[in-house]
Amino acid sequence: GAVVSQHPSRVICKSGTSVKIECRSLDFQATTMFWYRQFPKQSLMLMATSNEGSKATYEQGVEKDKFLINHASLTLSTLTVTSAHPEDSSFYICSAQDRGRGLKAFFGQGTRLTVV
Amino acid sequence: DQQVKQNSPSLSVQEGRISILNCDYTNSMFDYFLWYKKYPAEGPTFLISISSIKDKNEDGRFTVFLNKSAKHLSLHIVPSQPGDSAVYFCAATSGGGNQFYFGTGTSLTVIP
Repeated sequence: GAVVSQHPSRVICKSGTSVKIECRSLDFQATTMFWYRQFPKQSLMLMATSNEGSKATYEQGVEKDKFLINHASLTLSTLTVTSAHPEDSSFYICSAQDRGRGLKAFFGQGTRLTVV
Repeated sequence: DQQVKQNSPSLSVQEGRISILNCDYTNSMFDYFLWYKKYPAEGPTFLISISSIKDKNEDGRFTVFLNKSAKHLSLHIVPSQPGDSAVYFCAATSGGGNQFYFGTGTSLTVIP
């Protein structure tokens, strides 16, 4: 199956700093990438959807100035958590979709962010 | 508003028996459904999907059934193996997959 690589898998940062998470599709061109956040024992909550070369579409309640998403190429999307706070600590997961190969979305391995 | 629901947070099954995971949805516009398997601290892995034009799709030990009138789908795993122990999410989408809606997951434990 298609491979989506997400990096880093774990990151600890100080409150007030920014953290960048990368999501790469390794063997296909991702026309659409999705960013999710998962709280303990809860479902995956969609944060935003990005199409290559255009601005991301954010879900209601997600601060676009805090969670900066860039999808500059067909194989790379980044999520930057700016001015991180302890409440931003969570598990962030990206997924990528190649519309030319159907509707399946393939997921990265996730990033555990801990803000101290 | 939870449009996709998995009402059983956990399920335990003996090895070799059938595991049945259920999922209900509320949006009749959903036309494509997927099941993902997730281990702790990892991203979900795609398992199997079904289009709304079908009522059954089978892939090895995994079969997904779709009942559109009841807005219900289920994942059958037979025979269940200890390695199947994970959290299973169902997901639904419509209109070409612009947005995926996930259930809250069911934690499956297969007992050796």
